[in-house]
Amino acid sequence: EAGVVQSPRYKIIEKKQPVAFWCNPISGHNTLYWYRQNLGQGPELLIRYENEEAVDDSQLPKDRFSAERLKGVDSTLKIQPAELGDSAVYLCASSSKGQDVYGYTFGSGTRLTVV
Amino acid sequence: SQQGEEDPQALSIQEGENATMNCSYKTSINNLQWYRQNSGRGLVHLILIRSNEREKHSGRLRVTLDTSKKSSSLLITASRAADTASYFCATDPTGRRALTFGSGTRLQVQP
Repeated sequence: EAGVVQSPRYKIIEKKQPVAFWCNPISGHNTLYWYRQNLGQGPELLIRYENEEAVDDSQLPKDRFSAERLKGVDSTLKIQPAELGDSAVYLCASSSKGQDVYGYTFGSGTRLTVV
Repeated sequence: SQQGEEDPQALSIQEGENATMNCSYKTSINNLQWYRQNSGRGLVHLILIRSNEREKHSGRLRVTLDTSKKSSSLLITASRAADTASYFCATDPTGRRALTFGSGTRLQVQP
């Protein structure tokens, strides 16, 4: 079974340009997450989806960030316009419920560099 | 924001030695998980300990959890050069179905 697939792996853009990241979660996982990981730090949640509904987006900078999860499967995260401080690794994860806990699987991430 | 802190921030040991990392968190949790991240790669799940468990083992890994102190430790025994990575604790807080990560410990195992 394929894991969580993200693309692109790397992206370099100039500030003020738009950028988009794509995530394909594990089949059957209803919950999808986007995390941002700054250099030397742990990941921080940006948004959580239950199927196609964003149920936790309190940490998403809504002035420049947007996300969507059409049909409750794939998801895209967009930044427009990008700022220098947006340079980070953007991780996608999906989860499903096991016997009594939720299992999380992370993608390899997209490393964004804004110059 | 980060859930808590990990200690130490960086650790350098020789192959064969044991490595201990500590994690503190702030809220009540359903479970606590440890992840490994090699440079430039994604997060790999290592072990999960439930809030009603005190200790768990998996191969060379031993995890303890003290919910009264809101702390956990990860012990890697007989370390190998391949264990070189960053290690993160992540809590699954009660009432919020999303992992909250600590700041990580960067482990360097010298061959």
